[in-house]
Amino acid sequence: GENVEQHPSTLSVQEGDSAVIKCTYSDSASNYFPWYKQELGKRPQLIIDIRSNVGEKKDQRIAVTLNKTAKHFSLHITETQPEDSAVYFCAASKGSTLGRLYFGRGTQLTVWP
Amino acid sequence: ETGVTQTPRHLVMGMTNKKSLKCEQHLGHNAMYWYKQSAKKPLELMFVYSLEERVENNSVPSRFSPECPNSSHLFLHLHTLQPEDSALYLCASSPNSGTPNTEAFFGQGTRLTVV
Repeated sequence: GENVEQHPSTLSVQEGDSAVIKCTYSDSASNYFPWYKQELGKRPQLIIDIRSNVGEKKDQRIAVTLNKTAKHFSLHITETQPEDSAVYFCAASKGSTLGRLYFGRGTQLTVWP
Repeated sequence: ETGVTQTPRHLVMGMTNKKSLKCEQHLGHNAMYWYKQSAKKPLELMFVYSLEERVENNSVPSRFSPECPNSSHLFLHLHTLQPEDSALYLCASSPNSGTPNTEAFFGQGTRLTVV
C-alpha cells in the first residue's frame, strides 16, 4: 500500500515568516495530493490540492509543489499569521474514483505573534 | 459547515458497552468513509463504502462494525472495545463515479473514550 511520510512533526515560526512542510510518498501510481488543515477541536478541511500533471499550484499565501520523480511534495505558507496555527496533514491518493486518502502524521504549526 | 454531521460529538463507554456512532451527509455524495485519528499517528482509513456497499476494510477488528443503510447515512457500531480504541473517529464523504480523486469532506468527529 501507499506510505506517506511527513516532516517536521512540529514547526514554530514568527508571524510574517514562511513555513514549509514536506511529504514523501512511496507509490508512483499516486496522482492526487491534497493538504488538509485541522484547527484545534475542528474537522480537517482541504486547503489546497495538486494533481500529478501539475508541478506547482498557488492560492494566495499558500502554494504546493510536486516532484513526481523524487516522489515528494511540499506545502509553502508565506507571510504566516497566528490564525495559520493548526495541524496540517498531507495525503496521497491513487488513480481511483474514490477518495481513499493515505495521510501523513501531521505537522503542528505554531505561528507566534 | 461541510454538510457532514456526526453524532454524538463525545462518547465515554465501558469496555462491555455497545454503542453506535452516526454520520449523515447531505451533499449528494455516494462514497463514505470512517477514519480513526489517534494521538501522534496518521489518520487511519478504516472502512470505505461506495453506493452503500463496503468496498474496503483495512484490517479493522471485528469489535468495529460499520453499516451503511443508504448513501446519506453511515454508522459505526461498537462493542467490547479496548482502552486503546480511544480516539477521534472521523466520518468523510466524497463524490464517487465519474469523478476521480476528489476532495473528501470530513465531519467534526466523535471523541471516543473507552474506560
